[in-house]
Amino acid sequence: DVVMTQSPLSLPVTLGQPASISCRSSQSLVHFDGNTYLNWFQQRPGQSPRRLIYKISIRDSGVPDRFSGSGSGTDFTLKISRVEAEDVGVYFCMQATHWPRTFGQGTKVEIK
Amino acid sequence: EVQLVESGGGLVQPGGSLRLSCSASGFTVSAYDMFWVRQAPGKRLEYVSVIATDGGKTYYADSVKGRFTLSRDNSKNTVYLQMSSLRPEDTAVYFCVKDSGFSFDYWGQGTLVTVSS
Repeated sequence: DVVMTQSPLSLPVTLGQPASISCRSSQSLVHFDGNTYLNWFQQRPGQSPRRLIYKISIRDSGVPDRFSGSGSGTDFTLKISRVEAEDVGVYFCMQATHWPRTFGQGTKVEIK
Repeated sequence: EVQLVESGGGLVQPGGSLRLSCSASGFTVSAYDMFWVRQAPGKRLEYVSVIATDGGKTYYADSVKGRFTLSRDNSKNTVYLQMSSLRPEDTAVYFCVKDSGFSFDYWGQGTLVTVSS
């Protein structure tokens, strides 16, 4: 199975400051159809996961534009340009290029 | 509005059985691949099983193959995960998830399964 490795696992951030989460895969996530199926999810305390980004960088409807995704191949990043209080939670990446789908360990974002 | 509501979790002894239900609204379950994903305490999320639109074919993680059975009732727009021969390592929050083509676009709230004597 493809191993997804996130870093850091804990990310204390000052309100209004940027945050960045890395997600690396043990093999390339480029599908034979040419797409890269790398997703990012947010799980706020006490809530279900919510998809933020799919195919590396496409934001879901309603997701603030302070969230952005980038990367290619095996190396991906989720950035929050200016962290707000509502961004507290756990963020995890998921690859859907290879079977079975696999997840990163999760990164806990908290306010300093 | 799409909603997924899981039920059926609880405390069960090792070797016991449970049936989880996932009731969907806002879309038709037979038109999408439907997954179950679980998260054990302190562990990352893990794929458990999927029921495909393609004739309702089912697939399972090696860790549950032969013990879990996934099915769908189109008339009730509900997906079921029958779990048997449960082990302590099956203890987890189980999420029902709607597929959107190489992604998950909606998750249920999760239901906790605890396997312990």
